[in-house]
Amino acid sequence: DAGITQSPRHKVTETGTPVTLRCHQTENHRYMYWYRQDPGHGLRLIHYSYGVKDTDKGEVSDGYSVSRSKTEDFLLTLESATSSQTSVYFCAIRGAERYNEQFFGPGTRLTVL
Amino acid sequence: AQKVTQAQTEISVVEKEDVTLDCVYETRDTTYYLFWYKQPPSGELVFLIRRNSFDEQNEISGRYSWNFQKSTSSFNFTITASQVVDSAVYFCALSEARNNDMRFGAGTRLTVKP
Repeated sequence: DAGITQSPRHKVTETGTPVTLRCHQTENHRYMYWYRQDPGHGLRLIHYSYGVKDTDKGEVSDGYSVSRSKTEDFLLTLESATSSQTSVYFCAIRGAERYNEQFFGPGTRLTVL
Repeated sequence: AQKVTQAQTEISVVEKEDVTLDCVYETRDTTYYLFWYKQPPSGELVFLIRRNSFDEQNEISGRYSWNFQKSTSSFNFTITASQVVDSAVYFCALSEARNNDMRFGAGTRLTVKP
């Protein structure tokens, strides 16, 4: 158990509304990641963070922003949700830093109507 | 660019059969790490194994074994004497040492029938 929680676990929202997903970790890991999982694509990286206030874009960052004001929290925001952002979102932490070994939270299922 | 291909979208076997899940990767880096994750029907992602590019030894853990071959850029996963509880989606992933991200294959859905 890597001590990662995600909230909410499920959310249904409407197109055009802002949405924020939260990832919380209890073990002081420096690196945190947000992925989305879609059928046929596996997991794709949205954004990641390598420290407080230090973030970088991933493969599918358009339409998403992130913030990390505390080590333990990494927030993912959809400024104006679209139906194409309907997905399952996973947060991860890097355990063994040298090897980029990642451990995942339980996931958030987001539906944008 | 790093890329992972899992050509098998779905595999169905009967309990006690052996099954191999294929993973082929592409990278220009000489130092990289390969991973397998399991996603059971409950949805969580479970870390199974990490392999470093400089260590080509195969690994066995109970009924699970992994065959890493740099010559063919493959990192295949074999389940011996499969069980119903092995039913899941399995993901292969690659991380280059110089990068902070991880690339996943599309996953292979394994169904083990009783």
